[in-house]
Amino acid sequence: GENVEQHPSTLSVQEGDSAVIKCTYSDSASNYFPWYKQELGKRPQLIIDIRSNVGEKKDQRIAVTLNKTAKHFSLHITETQPEDSAVYFCAAIIIQGAQKLVFGQGTRLTINP
Amino acid sequence: NAGVTQTPKFRILKIGQSMTLQCAQDMNHNYMYWYRQDPGMGLKLIYYSVGAGITDKGEVPNGYNVSRSTTEDFPLRLELAAPSQTSVYFCASSYSLAGGREQYFGPGTRLTVT
Repeated sequence: GENVEQHPSTLSVQEGDSAVIKCTYSDSASNYFPWYKQELGKRPQLIIDIRSNVGEKKDQRIAVTLNKTAKHFSLHITETQPEDSAVYFCAAIIIQGAQKLVFGQGTRLTINP
Repeated sequence: NAGVTQTPKFRILKIGQSMTLQCAQDMNHNYMYWYRQDPGMGLKLIYYSVGAGITDKGEVPNGYNVSRSTTEDFPLRLELAAPSQTSVYFCASSYSLAGGREQYFGPGTRLTVT
């Protein structure tokens, strides 16, 4: 079945450093890849997304890259701040049948002051 | 707009009891979804709906039922609750994922079955 693998499961970086989270997907027809941030006890919220017709998208300190040939995409956070500490989920849209997202397992990011 | 709302926020059930988790959205979204999130884990799709009167199973549908009689509401029914159903339940909605539109989540319902 459709699958999204996310690595690493936990990531700890010093404040000011960069963080990178990687995901791979199995459905070559997927064309939409969102990233969600979930703070403790809160709902997941979209932070950035990318469609398959572009290879990179940037929004201030966060960026996402997509390699359709290799079927992987990555989240990059630069100049990390304490408020970046959260769980991050990648997802890929499943095109077959109705539209639904398959989520990765999540990455717990901790920013150390 | 209130967005996606869920009730209740918290609930404790005894084994074998039943309950309905309510979900409503006021954004006129066609697509609605129910996920469960176990502690420290990711989101697993329980059921989804592409419009009023149309529902389908997701990855983990056993022990649950849904209905979609209106565009706005998508209740999730738990019959004969079991400890394995202890989880946080999120409802979500979207206009169209294929168009790259955002999937909005509700605040969640934390359910404990003892």
